[in-house]
Amino acid sequence: QSALTQPASVSGSPGQSITISCTGTSSDVGSYDYVSWYQQHPGKAPKLMIYEVSNRPSGVSNRFSGSKSGNTASLTISGLQAEDEADYYCSSYTTSSTLVFGGGTKLTVL
Amino acid sequence: EVQLVESGGVVVQPGGSLRLSCAASGFTFDDYTMHWVRQAPGKGLEWVSLISWDGGSTNYADSVKGRFTISRDTSKISLYLQLNSLTTEDTALYYCAKEGVVGKGFFDYWGQGTLVTVSS
Repeated sequence: QSALTQPASVSGSPGQSITISCTGTSSDVGSYDYVSWYQQHPGKAPKLMIYEVSNRPSGVSNRFSGSKSGNTASLTISGLQAEDEADYYCSSYTTSSTLVFGGGTKLTVL
Repeated sequence: EVQLVESGGVVVQPGGSLRLSCAASGFTFDDYTMHWVRQAPGKGLEWVSLISWDGGSTNYADSVKGRFTISRDTSKISLYLQLNSLTTEDTALYYCAKEGVVGKGFFDYWGQGTLVTVSS
């Protein structure tokens, strides 16, 4: 049950686009289209941003999008805004019927 | 409105035990798999355990297997986590989370968490 691999930090200027990668293995990301992404602001509970690789829950901005290729999933945020500054975590279902998170990525809006 | 309210977090000595509770409302509790996720201070999210909608299936992270037990009570509309043989590595904010669609492994609602501190 090793954690998925995410970059520790990414940054971008307002209006720009950024992409956060999430690399797993054939036992998790590569096996199912059950990758989800969460946004967490300091002192707050995580919030679901993307589920099943590329689906957005109601109320989440269409500036957030997700994709997957092989064992790597990605979250793209377009038109960066100040309120997007937060920690982002990916998660995947595994072949052991467990869940695994990535280590988290701190997004800084410059 | 879906609400998940955790309780039971305390300061406990290494080797000790405690039980966390999560009171659910605003959805049909019996229809959904429920999870516990924890976050150590200043660290990332770690999935801990899940229990199926009917309580018939459970699973655990390797780090807690054999020490933690998840359960649910339909009559009390509540989720529980029994924590035994605690170590300092178990110090964390423990979140209760609802699975969005059974078997799809994503969490659409989270509680605010309850803090467990393991310290002598």
